[in-house]
Amino acid sequence: AQSVTQLDSQVPVFEEAPVELRCNYSSSVSVYLFWYVQYPNQGLQLLLKYLSGSTLVESINGFEAEFNKSQTSFHLRKPSVHISDTAEYFCAVTGAGNTGKLIFGQGTTLQVKP
Amino acid sequence: GAGVSQTPSNKVTEKGKYVELRCDPISGHTALYWYRQSLGQGPEFLIYFQGTGAADDSGLPNDRFFAVRPEGSVSTLKIQRTERGDSAVYLCASSSKSGGTEAFFGQGTRLTVV
Repeated sequence: AQSVTQLDSQVPVFEEAPVELRCNYSSSVSVYLFWYVQYPNQGLQLLLKYLSGSTLVESINGFEAEFNKSQTSFHLRKPSVHISDTAEYFCAVTGAGNTGKLIFGQGTTLQVKP
Repeated sequence: GAGVSQTPSNKVTEKGKYVELRCDPISGHTALYWYRQSLGQGPEFLIYFQGTGAADDSGLPNDRFFAVRPEGSVSTLKIQRTERGDSAVYLCASSSKSGGTEAFFGQGTRLTVV
């Protein structure tokens, strides 16, 4: 069975500092990997995804994540955060059977301070 | 509509009552998913529909939970004999096909059982 571990429940960081949100997964089959973001009082939105090809994937708002198969990780990074990045971030993998069913981690709250 | 719509946004019910939660997916999306998100946790998969049929209901916690999608569009999650432990945010997502593509989430229904 697949599982996802987000190692930090909360990450406080000052504005313009770099940040890394960690995600590790376990799976006996090939997976697709996702990061979703949930801004306050909003629904989950896809931030970026890894399906195949280049192991480094980027979002339109400056986040990037690198798929590392040997370490079974998919950490999310941003070189310089903004106040508006304050949100809950969820890492997810597809479940077995390629149905699109997602297995989520517990989430990491990114708190960007001025 | 432009996105996934869930109604009601909030529902308070008494223990033992029956509730129905509605999800209106993005037009044309054949895959529909229900998740449950408890406080401080990531979303947990409940059930997946491809068209009208439930292709995977392995996440339904017990036989008090049931979901339908009779015409392959709107879906209803039904909970019988509600318990306080059922209190959570129930999320619906849809995608144009299963497996690997982006799932679009609604804003959820917050269910409180008192």
